[in-house]
Amino acid sequence: AQSVTQLGSHVSVSEGALVLLRCNYSSSVPPYLFWYVQYPNQGLQLLLKYTSAATLVKGINGFEAEFKKSETSFHLTKPSAHMSDAAEYFCAVSRGGYSSASKIIFGSGTRLSIRP
Amino acid sequence: EAGVTQSPTHLIKTRGQQATLRCSPISGHTSVYWYQQALGLGLQFLLWYDEGEERNRGNFPPRFSGRQFPNYSSELNVNALELEDSALYLCASTDKMTGGADGYTFGSGTRLTVV
Repeated sequence: AQSVTQLGSHVSVSEGALVLLRCNYSSSVPPYLFWYVQYPNQGLQLLLKYTSAATLVKGINGFEAEFKKSETSFHLTKPSAHMSDAAEYFCAVSRGGYSSASKIIFGSGTRLSIRP
Repeated sequence: EAGVTQSPTHLIKTRGQQATLRCSPISGHTSVYWYQQALGLGLQFLLWYDEGEERNRGNFPPRFSGRQFPNYSSELNVNALELEDSALYLCASTDKMTGGADGYTFGSGTRLTVV
């Protein structure tokens, strides 16, 4: 079975500082991994995804994430935070395929706040 | 290309009433997923439909039900509404042929408020 743990329900950084949102996963098979962003009262938007190609994945809005199999981690980073990055971020895992077990499992989310 | 569309955007109902929420997937996507996002509870998986059939459901009572139409659009029905059903309901679609590698595309959600 797949599972996702996001460390820290709330992260606050200063504008211009490094953003680091942590995600650890558990999967019995090579996983697909995703980061989604949710702005207030909106749906989720895909930031980036890992599908067994390059371990360093670049996404939209300057975000990137590195897949580390040995650490079962997929942390999200951005070198310099902008006020517009304030949102809820969800890490997610899927085993792929087509079955009830293949649906995407979401973490509990991390709310990112940016201090001026 | 149109994204996943949900209607209505907001819905206010009285306790005990029924609510109907609608979702149109991206063209070519046959799988539709429903999630409930209540305050402080994250994303809770509700239902998965594909090719007109219910494929999987989450840990919700039977008063949460739905269906998928031949054009792959979907409807979520919530009967006998309770105050704790107040939440943002999100619909997502995916192309099952990619095996989930593309992730889901989400709609903007329906905000259901039960008073």
